[in-house]
Amino acid sequence: AQSVTQLGSHVSVSEGALVLLRCNYSSSVPPYLFWYVQYPNQGLQLLLKYTSAATLVKGINGFEAEFKKSETSFHLTKPSAHMSDAAEYFCAVTASGTASKLTFGTGTRLQVTL
Amino acid sequence: GAVVSQHPSWVICKSGTSVKIECRSLDFQATTMFWYRQFPKQSLMLMATSNEGSKATYEQGVEKDKFLINHASLTLSTLTVTSAHPEDSSFYICSARDLRRDDYGYTFGSGTRLTVV
Repeated sequence: AQSVTQLGSHVSVSEGALVLLRCNYSSSVPPYLFWYVQYPNQGLQLLLKYTSAATLVKGINGFEAEFKKSETSFHLTKPSAHMSDAAEYFCAVTASGTASKLTFGTGTRLQVTL
Repeated sequence: GAVVSQHPSWVICKSGTSVKIECRSLDFQATTMFWYRQFPKQSLMLMATSNEGSKATYEQGVEKDKFLINHASLTLSTLTVTSAHPEDSSFYICSARDLRRDDYGYTFGSGTRLTVV
């Protein structure tokens, strides 16, 4: 069984400030980890993913995340927040396999203030 | 890149009627598609895994007879909410993975907002 825990359902940062969204995972097999962003009434857009290659993963829109096995973490960061980053962010985990399903965390709503 | 089209974007129906939601992979073949349900301000909950040419695999607690899934082709999966009731009102999202890619790129549809009145 696999699961992810997102600490903080709501994070607020000032524009230009560092963004840090936390995700910890639990998995009985080597995990594949994902971060998705969701804007209101829309589907999910992939930001980045870790699939056992480099532990530091760079994604779209300036986001990156680092897989830390020792800490079972996959935190999402961005050096400088933009107003357009305000959205809901989901961490997800799966195992290898053609029909593997994604298990999502509870989500973190990012608010960016002036 | 892989594109998944979901239709309709929103639908309002009367209680007791059925609603069909379509999920199409536009530029790839999807032997497996996933259906999720999302309540307001909550996460996505997997309802079922749709397999082309075979029966869907439902998650525990999901009523098979209420949420009918058909995956008749490699590019189309449908979710039918039968005898809908107000408690079925939710945001439904489908997802598929392009197996030609080995990077686990799950692609999501834009979602369907179902309101049952």
